Amino acid sequence: DAGITQSPRHKVTETGTPVTLRCHQTENHRYMYWYRQDPGHGLRLIHYSYGVKDTDKGEVSDGYSVSRSKTEDFLLTLESATSSQTSVYFCAISEVAGVGDTQYFGPGTRLTVL
Amino acid sequence: SQKIEQNSEALNIQEGKTATLTCNYTNYSPAYLQWYRQDPGRGPVFLLLIRENEKEKRKERLKVTFDTTLKQSLFHITASQPADSATYLCALAPQTGANNLFFGTGTRLTVIP
Repeated sequence: DAGITQSPRHKVTETGTPVTLRCHQTENHRYMYWYRQDPGHGLRLIHYSYGVKDTDKGEVSDGYSVSRSKTEDFLLTLESATSSQTSVYFCAISEVAGVGDTQYFGPGTRLTVL
Repeated sequence: SQKIEQNSEALNIQEGKTATLTCNYTNYSPAYLQWYRQDPGRGPVFLLLIRENEKEKRKERLKVTFDTTLKQSLFHITASQPADSATYLCALAPQTGANNLFFGTGTRLTVIP
């Protein structure tokens, strides 16, 4: 998985609680992404980062926030988890953006919100 | 609205045959298109990238075509093997907007021995 780890790998939580997922890379890649994967929807981009402290919204950013204080770490926070946020979350990294961009994915975090 | 559709949710094929997977898109102008493989419980793994001005790309037993007139990409696996069984995802990068990728829902390929 290209030097990318995600923690935790599995989490069960209650509606209304805050949740933070962590993505850690050892590749020193500039770009980092958070996706969610749901049946019938495929992978959808939540937020991405193009450098330390530089982040932007993706297609499905409502209810999520991110932070990147170091090159190697990208955190995804659900401020108040809802059942609709039950999903598998993938972190990805890439060295460049645009044509030639190849994204490398982490192993995923399965989140269940009860 | 923008859509990326992969021909079928599941495809079964006999070992040794060529598997052909389809990715159709509407209301996108992709700068390039990528194909990924995903095994159960794991993250997607990059396979091939093809640019808008390229018609065909090959890598070992894999071949991708890209027809911007038909708004379609075909992904072929020749001499398929049971180890090729996985879900295959296509992903588009639009002309405008940085490096966002938009993914199809995938086709689950099963190669039967």
